[in-house]
Amino acid sequence: QKEVEQNSGPLSVPEGAIASLNCTYSDRVSQSFFWYRQYSGKSPELIMSIYSNGDKEDGRFTAQLNKASQYVSLLIRDSQPSDSATYLCAVKGLGSGNTGKLIFGQGTTLQVKP
Amino acid sequence: DTAVSQTPKYLVTQMGNDKSIKCEQNLGHDTMYWYKQDSKKFLKIMFSYNNKELIINETVPNRFSPKSPDKAHLNLHINSLELGDSAVYFCASSHGGRDTQYFGPGTRLTVL
Repeated sequence: QKEVEQNSGPLSVPEGAIASLNCTYSDRVSQSFFWYRQYSGKSPELIMSIYSNGDKEDGRFTAQLNKASQYVSLLIRDSQPSDSATYLCAVKGLGSGNTGKLIFGQGTTLQVKP
Repeated sequence: DTAVSQTPKYLVTQMGNDKSIKCEQNLGHDTMYWYKQDSKKFLKIMFSYNNKELIINETVPNRFSPKSPDKAHLNLHINSLELGDSAVYFCASSHGGRDTQYFGPGTRLTVL
């Protein structure tokens, strides 16, 4: 079992729709969760971080965390063609707080069609 | 101003050669990382340095040797390059291990 799993996609949504990206993780004691966006040929860029159960909203983005189910998701409301990218889920374990070790999923490719 | 920079951006070389990639950050961070992203976009940590001290050393062939001359620089030297080393290598930096990691633009290494 992979430590962090994502559906590689592509996930295709029409412009203006809600895109829902999902991620599961295997280490039950994971503490910190991150969503990075990576455009083709570019570097990963942090868009959301979440540390406690529930929802965290930032503009059109909402991160949702359920530690009991070991599940973290990212919702993108009013999707725009400029949101088309690969979204990487990353998890930091209990012992990784000081080292900064991030475990990444394989990423989900999102395509927003005009 | 570029926050995390890497050189070169592209590197094409023959099998068996030795090459280096350089990384510099001007964010005042004390922790720097090297990641490898393979052709399937899977991003995996290789090394991390905090204040020039190696704190993460994943299962990486010893042909890979990181060096941190100071807090702002982290270089990666690769000996006897192999076809499987072809990938994009990203440098990143952060304040300690708890803060957001900022990634450099990446170095695309192609081994022929």
